[in-house]
Amino acid sequence: NAGVMQNPRHLVRRRGQEARLRCSPMKGHSHVYWYRQLPEEGLKFMVYLQKENIIDESGMPKERFSAEFPKEGPSILRIQQVVRGDSAAYFCASSPRTSVRPITGELFFGEGSRLTVL
Amino acid sequence: SQQGEEDPQALSIQEGENATMNCSYKTSINNLQWYRQNSGRGLVHLILIRSNEREKHSGRLRVTLDTSKKSSSLLITASRAADTASYFCAIQGAQKLVFGQGTRLTINP
Repeated sequence: NAGVMQNPRHLVRRRGQEARLRCSPMKGHSHVYWYRQLPEEGLKFMVYLQKENIIDESGMPKERFSAEFPKEGPSILRIQQVVRGDSAAYFCASSPRTSVRPITGELFFGEGSRLTVL
Repeated sequence: SQQGEEDPQALSIQEGENATMNCSYKTSINNLQWYRQNSGRGLVHLILIRSNEREKHSGRLRVTLDTSKKSSSLLITASRAADTASYFCAIQGAQKLVFGQGTRLTINP
């Protein structure tokens, strides 16, 4: 059973370009979380999605950032007009929860996508 | 803030010694989780302790929870070089896990 798959693992963009990060959750998981990690820091929550729904986007910057989790295909974190401050590792995690209730179990993390903005 | 705060920020010990990391938080919780992150890798779940539990073991790991003091500790016994990693506690929020800044543990051979 494959784990959470993220791609690309490394992405280099110039300022002003767009970055698209993809996440395929574990088989059977319908809940996806995106976190951002700056070097030597902890993970900062960005967004929580279920299939076709954004449940909590309280950690997402108001501009340039968007996320989706379509009925078919991976979850996408999209960053438009990237700036140097967007350089970070972006982690996706999934869980098998089937309803919107407080977490009772662990999250399964991917290996992350490391974005470098030149 | 729901965020847990780990202490110390960094810890360096000799192989074979025990390592203790602490996590303090401010809100009431349903559970508290510990994760490990090796350099350049994703997070791996270690252990979950529920609010009605006081202690939990998993192999060389021992986790305690004191809800009256709003604190938890992670003890790694008989440390090995492979235990070198960052360790994070995570507090359950309404819809998400909130992670602390982590403790960077270095095991010296």
